[in-house]
Amino acid sequence: QLQLRESGSGLVRPSQTLSLTCAVSGGSISSEGFSWNWLRQAPGKGLEWIGYIYHTGNSYYNPSLKSRVTISVDTSKNQFSLTMTSVTAADTAVYHCARGYYTNYVPHFDSWGPGTLVTVSS
Amino acid sequence: DIEMTQAPSSLSASVGDRVTITCRASQSINTYLNWYQLKPGKAPKLLIYDASTFQSGVPSRFSGSGSGTDFTLTITSLQREDFATYSCQQSYITPYTFGQGTKLEIK
Repeated sequence: QLQLRESGSGLVRPSQTLSLTCAVSGGSISSEGFSWNWLRQAPGKGLEWIGYIYHTGNSYYNPSLKSRVTISVDTSKNQFSLTMTSVTAADTAVYHCARGYYTNYVPHFDSWGPGTLVTVSS
Repeated sequence: DIEMTQAPSSLSASVGDRVTITCRASQSINTYLNWYQLKPGKAPKLLIYDASTFQSGVPSRFSGSGSGTDFTLTITSLQREDFATYSCQQSYITPYTFGQGTKLEIK
């Protein structure tokens, strides 16, 4: 059974860089036909999709965050990572990683990590 | 971006009840609509994809319907483990967007 688990900095100072990693187990991140996604949920708000990457390294980001976000993949470690620069309090959220599973070329998020809380505060 | 609006935002119900949650898209999304169950501290769970297709392992008391802009998630005979937050999400076009969530509470 596929499992994902997020790890990384829980407290980030304003204007600094947030870095998170998603470790994938029970399956290979190099398998064809999947995307590897980052999402977040700020307190009291709905989920927000941040972006995805394929095992090939091709990535796509939410335009609202594109200027500050980079998603990378390390197939040798079976993990992928999120970097977000110039964070503010508005970036305080629970961050989840998730696998995108495609049917008819359209994804749904079928496996998720439990999430990790990132707080932006001085 | 496509805006997803859920109703109600919260709902109180009893074990054994039938409940319906609605999700409306700001433009047509065909049937590219997914439903998730969210619980604090746990991995979100995919319930329904493509508006009405059950994810493997999801109890049959959950069902989804709709197309275009209007969708529903129905839970028949509520169980205690069903009290959670439910969120719809469109996969029609990027950026993928979610509803604000419906919190289902025990009456």
